[in-house]
Amino acid sequence: QKEVEQDPGPLSVPEGAIVSLNCTYSNSAFQYFMWYRQYSRKGPELLMYTYSSGNKEDGRFTAQVDKSSKYISLFIRDSQPSDSATYLCAMKRTQGGSEKLVFGKGTKLTVNP
Amino acid sequence: DVKVTQSSRYLVKRTGEKVFLECVQDMDHENMFWYRQDPGLGLRLIYFSYDVKMKEKGDIPEGYSVSREKKERFSLILESASTNQTSMYLCASTPAPGQTSNQPQHFGDGTRLSIL
Repeated sequence: QKEVEQDPGPLSVPEGAIVSLNCTYSNSAFQYFMWYRQYSRKGPELLMYTYSSGNKEDGRFTAQVDKSSKYISLFIRDSQPSDSATYLCAMKRTQGGSEKLVFGKGTKLTVNP
Repeated sequence: DVKVTQSSRYLVKRTGEKVFLECVQDMDHENMFWYRQDPGLGLRLIYFSYDVKMKEKGDIPEGYSVSREKKERFSLILESASTNQTSMYLCASTPAPGQTSNQPQHFGDGTRLSIL
């Protein structure tokens, strides 16, 4: 079983839709959870960063972490064409005194005007 | 804002060449990382560094080496480039006094490298 699983999509939605992106993980040692957005031909850009279970909101974006189910989500409300990008989940754990960051493979999202 | 700058956006090299990819960050971060990103494989860690002149292997170090002579600069070296090293290379950095950090990584825009 892979440490982090993310549906690669692609996902295509109309403008204004609510988008739900998800990742599951198998290692309960993960402590920090991140979502990155990556536009074509650009580097990943940090979108959301959470530590504990629960919700964190930032504008149209909500990150949700459920440690008991080993499941994280990113919700995008009122999606816009500018949200079209690949979304990467990432999780961090400490291992033998150093940190290990594991990425999902990314979900490609297209928001159609 | 954190600024991570990779010297080249696109690079074309020939098989067998020695290739240098440069990365500079302007936030005095201790930790720097090199990844490659391939379709269907996601991001894979090649090497990382927690301090000047210090380096550690990531998950796929074979065929690569790194150099960190100054805190702000982290170089990735392909000793003898091969076609299977054609990829998108991404540099990242985080602040940390040691090997662990609760800070997220900030990425550069990547270097798309083609080996012919």
